[in-house]
Amino acid sequence: GAGVSQSPSNKVTEKGKDVELRCDPISGHTALYWYRQSLGQGLEFLIYFQGNSAPDKSGLPSDRFSAERTGGSVSTLTIQRTQQEDSAVYLCASSIYPGAYEQYFGPGTRLTVT
Amino acid sequence: AQSVSQHNHHVILSEAASLELGCNYSYGGTVNLFWYVQYPGQHLQLLLKYFSGDPLVKGIKGFEAEFIKSKFSFNLRKPSVQWSDTAEYFCAALTSGTYKYIFGTGTRLKVLA
Repeated sequence: GAGVSQSPSNKVTEKGKDVELRCDPISGHTALYWYRQSLGQGLEFLIYFQGNSAPDKSGLPSDRFSAERTGGSVSTLTIQRTQQEDSAVYLCASSIYPGAYEQYFGPGTRLTVT
Repeated sequence: AQSVSQHNHHVILSEAASLELGCNYSYGGTVNLFWYVQYPGQHLQLLLKYFSGDPLVKGIKGFEAEFIKSKFSFNLRKPSVQWSDTAEYFCAALTSGTYKYIFGTGTRLKVLA
């Protein structure tokens, strides 16, 4: 496709369950970013990938959060033992290179933890 | 800690009014600055960006922003808004040597027809 895609678009899960969120970046983009947008908050940086490696994991809120990227393309954000405070919109973005290049955002996954 | 502040959370304007949205960042070094916009039901997209050079940056749809280093500001402006400018606007900063974008909390703009 022409843009960044994310799946699922909506996810409702019970507290304590694990969830996986998927991001398909624009083909050829080496950099991939994950953000979280909570109600009334800005975009909170979670993690970025350069190729398959994640040089900066400092934004992950806790060790329940992890992410991987395979083949320099698809990325998965996993949240283990979900908590209600994890409810948010999770956005993925990609750019041709990391750094001061335009980021192209996906539509997001709205996660609701009940 | 580095941060980006957007002081106007909600702005309501009539069509043809002038717009200025404030953005301040806290970082003393070299910084790249961006404005992103999210129209209702659409993805975030880049409006404009500042890297270096002319501090007055022009973007899409008639928007512009001015980088004032002494004020740590990067305010977004448009001389005459349209109903179609109704959207949420985010200011973001990228500090030199990092790949970690810091976003503001956003400003919701509503333009009345």
